[in-house]
Amino acid sequence: ETGVTQSPTHLIKTRGQQVTLRCSSQSGHNTVSWYQQALGQGPQFIFQYYREEENGRGNFPPRFSGLQFPNYSSELNVNALELDDSALYLCASSHRQGVTDTQYFGPGTRLTVL
Amino acid sequence: TQLLEQSPQFLSIQEGENLTVYCNSSSVFSSLQWYRQEPGEGPVLLVTVVTGGEVKKLKRLTFQFGDARKDSSLHITAAQPGDTGLYLCAVSGSARQLTFGSGTQLTVLP
Repeated sequence: ETGVTQSPTHLIKTRGQQVTLRCSSQSGHNTVSWYQQALGQGPQFIFQYYREEENGRGNFPPRFSGLQFPNYSSELNVNALELDDSALYLCASSHRQGVTDTQYFGPGTRLTVL
Repeated sequence: TQLLEQSPQFLSIQEGENLTVYCNSSSVFSSLQWYRQEPGEGPVLLVTVVTGGEVKKLKRLTFQFGDARKDSSLHITAAQPGDTGLYLCAVSGSARQLTFGSGTQLTVLP
């Protein structure tokens, strides 16, 4: 069983640019959540996709957007990059069932904005 | 104000020592999770506690959920260098999103 994978591993961009991060969910999972983890902090929820629809959003501006594809993989897009967007971006997949579901995290993409 | 306050923020101990880290809140939760995150990796779920007063053991790790379901602790017995990592507590929201504390960075020196 393949786990959650993310690409690229590392990325360097300059302020004002746009970036796309990718996530392949674990086999059998239909839900993908994205988190931003600043250095020395816990991850912060950006948004979640369930069956290709946005299913919840954290306190992030609209320049953070996403997609989920029919195979349940997902993209996170960030426009007009700011210095504070420098962080580790984590993707987590889960299979929605019952009241709770366990989220499995990928290794993350380290984004540096100069 | 953080929903979940974790303490201490940093902890450096010698191999073989015992330690306890804490996760506190003023809110009541139906469940709480503990994760460990190692460098270059995402968080990995260690345990979910559900019942007030519940104690769960995972080898040398002991997790406790407070009676009022507002706080939790993680105790490690005879810590080993492999226990080094960022320990995060988290709760699940209405959209099943996770809200994390800021974590305790544990370093176990050989």
